[in-house]
Amino acid sequence: SSELTQDPAVSVALGQTVRITCQGDSLRSYYASWYQQKPGQAPVLVIYGKNNRPSGIPDRFSGSSSGNTASLTITGAQAEDEADYYCNSRDSSGNHQVVFGGGTKLTVL
Amino acid sequence: EVQLVESGGGLVQPGGSLRLSCAASGFTFSSYEMNWVRQAPGKGLEWVSYISSSGSTIYYADSVKGRFTISRDNAKNSLYLQMNSLRAEDTAVYYCAREPDYGPFRFDLWGRGTLVTVSS
Repeated sequence: SSELTQDPAVSVALGQTVRITCQGDSLRSYYASWYQQKPGQAPVLVIYGKNNRPSGIPDRFSGSSSGNTASLTITGAQAEDEADYYCNSRDSSGNHQVVFGGGTKLTVL
Repeated sequence: EVQLVESGGGLVQPGGSLRLSCAASGFTFSSYEMNWVRQAPGKGLEWVSYISSSGSTIYYADSVKGRFTISRDNAKNSLYLQMNSLRAEDTAVYYCAREPDYGPFRFDLWGRGTLVTVSS
């Protein structure tokens, strides 16, 4: 199965913009989805498809993709955005396999 | 309220079995594909298994194929995961997760999870 690679940790100053990336061969063919997970809580879908936000997700969250890299951008990061972020997509093999990135811990300074 | 509630986790010895349940409420369960996703302590997310809305199509991750069985009972609004031949590396929080009607391979509703610990 294919893999998705994320930086383990990223930090951002309060109110600034941060980009979290996800790399993998499957992303050349399929969009990534992004999840936010706070300690002790279940993941929450924040971005899916080309750049879509589920209801209730603030518009400071956006997504983009280029080649084998998907990105989650938070414009004007807030303290409550401090969390782990995971990307996921389908496997590039064509089988019905789902892959997740290893996660990025975002610290808001 | 739209929600998923997992149950059935606990401590089990290596080689043992456990059956997880996920109770759905607040939406038409029979219309949605469902999945199990797990997370080992301090680790990332790992997809485990998928089942179609009717239950006729099922997929598994290679790591659990042949040992785990996913099933559902639409009349009871419930999803299940039968786990056999458990190993230490199966220790994780197990989440049931719904695929949205706007596309597969993503999960728009998650339960709070149930912890499975495999240890002697």
